[in-house]
Amino acid sequence: SQQGEEDPQALSIQEGENATMNCSYKTSINNLQWYRQNSGRGLVHLILIRSNEREKHSGRLRVTLDTSKKSSSLLITASRAADTASYFCATDDVYSGYALNFGKGTSLLVTP
Amino acid sequence: EAQVTQNPRYLITVTGKKLTVTCSQNMNHEYMSWYRQDPGLGLRQIYYSMNVEVTDKGDVPEGYKVSRKEKRNFPLILESPSPNQTSLYFCASSLSVGGANYGYTFGSGTRLTVV
Repeated sequence: SQQGEEDPQALSIQEGENATMNCSYKTSINNLQWYRQNSGRGLVHLILIRSNEREKHSGRLRVTLDTSKKSSSLLITASRAADTASYFCATDDVYSGYALNFGKGTSLLVTP
Repeated sequence: EAQVTQNPRYLITVTGKKLTVTCSQNMNHEYMSWYRQDPGLGLRQIYYSMNVEVTDKGDVPEGYKVSRKEKRNFPLILESPSPNQTSLYFCASSLSVGGANYGYTFGSGTRLTVV
């Protein structure tokens, strides 16, 4: 059961610009996570934000969570070409936390 | 190095020929899971395991089997592969259910083609 929906599907920016990706979900959650996937490779865990947190930072990443709107955003500041990847949000389900449900991802292209 | 190791990385097989994709983790994680990734459909969970000898179906379990005889290993078995199982497969593990504290660690993936 896929729950997260990322927006936009694709994003193209230049190096140095900020990239913002959004995620919406449907049911109550315990936590929301963001992952990065380089083409055809395994997903890499970036950051986890719990349902009682509103904002979290990790290096150039900033994640916000609005549980009233069931939405989250991932901001990558000062983007680099190496940030080119697909980004996925993943949510658990407070009633059945046995799986992470992934969205279809945002494809980010950062050009030099 | 803490990691999830999947083998093989690439596999081409014929319809009906049984195959196993191995997955092993060295982090003493209790929770392991298999996903498949298809264009336009994202990642979908096939099976998961909460501990040794405890497995359960995910969203798309048809045509797959798993076993968890040891904590570190979680193989994915396709008894009679069909072309609609052509996909990119990922094994993942975490310390706790649903990656509740530190997220999932993913393997590098197995690209399976069934002809």
